[in-house]
Amino acid sequence: DAGVIQSPRHEVTEMGQEVTLRCKPISGHNSLFWYRQTMMRGLELLIYFNNNVPIDDSGMPEDRFSAKMPNASFSTLKIQPSEPRDSAVYFCASSLGEGGNTIYFGEGSWLTVV
Amino acid sequence: GIQVEQSPPDLILQEGANSTLRCNFSDSVNNLQWFHQNPWGQLINLFYIPSGTKQNGRLSATTVATERYSLLYISSSQTTDSGVYFCAVGVGNTGNQFYFGTGTSLTVIP
Repeated sequence: DAGVIQSPRHEVTEMGQEVTLRCKPISGHNSLFWYRQTMMRGLELLIYFNNNVPIDDSGMPEDRFSAKMPNASFSTLKIQPSEPRDSAVYFCASSLGEGGNTIYFGEGSWLTVV
Repeated sequence: GIQVEQSPPDLILQEGANSTLRCNFSDSVNNLQWFHQNPWGQLINLFYIPSGTKQNGRLSATTVATERYSLLYISSSQTTDSGVYFCAVGVGNTGNQFYFGTGTSLTVIP
């Protein structure tokens, strides 16, 4: 299996620009997660989808952040407009089913906003 | 929200030594997983362990859900064990909303 695939791996953008991060979960997995990792705040759960439906988006920091999952094999996390404090590693992860299942992480998207 | 605390925050070991990492959580959870983040940033799942004990080679983990803690044991440590170890607890109706602890940064020196 190809694992969770994220793109881009690295992005440097200017403040105010729109950023779109993409994720392809493992085939057959029906739960998808977006996490953000920073030195100050550690790993934060931003949003969690189950069967393409957002279940909990309470971790989304503010209205500049939005996430979609139009189908079972694709999700996006968008930041518009981006700010320097959004600089972080954004991870996508997926798991099979609900409850007791292993989470598999992508390699992350390293975002720098200057 | 639930609090997840890990100890120690940092650990330096001589190669071949054993260690125990601890994860405490503030409320009942539906499941718990341990992860290793290697120096390249990859997060690798080590154990899915909502309760009981599991072993995988030199690693083993024990979760005592009623007392709200989990332990990760590393025996005969190797330099490749270096990195950050996270526990993540699953809450919510599905048990699939995972919240991560603060991590233990492990350095194994030859």
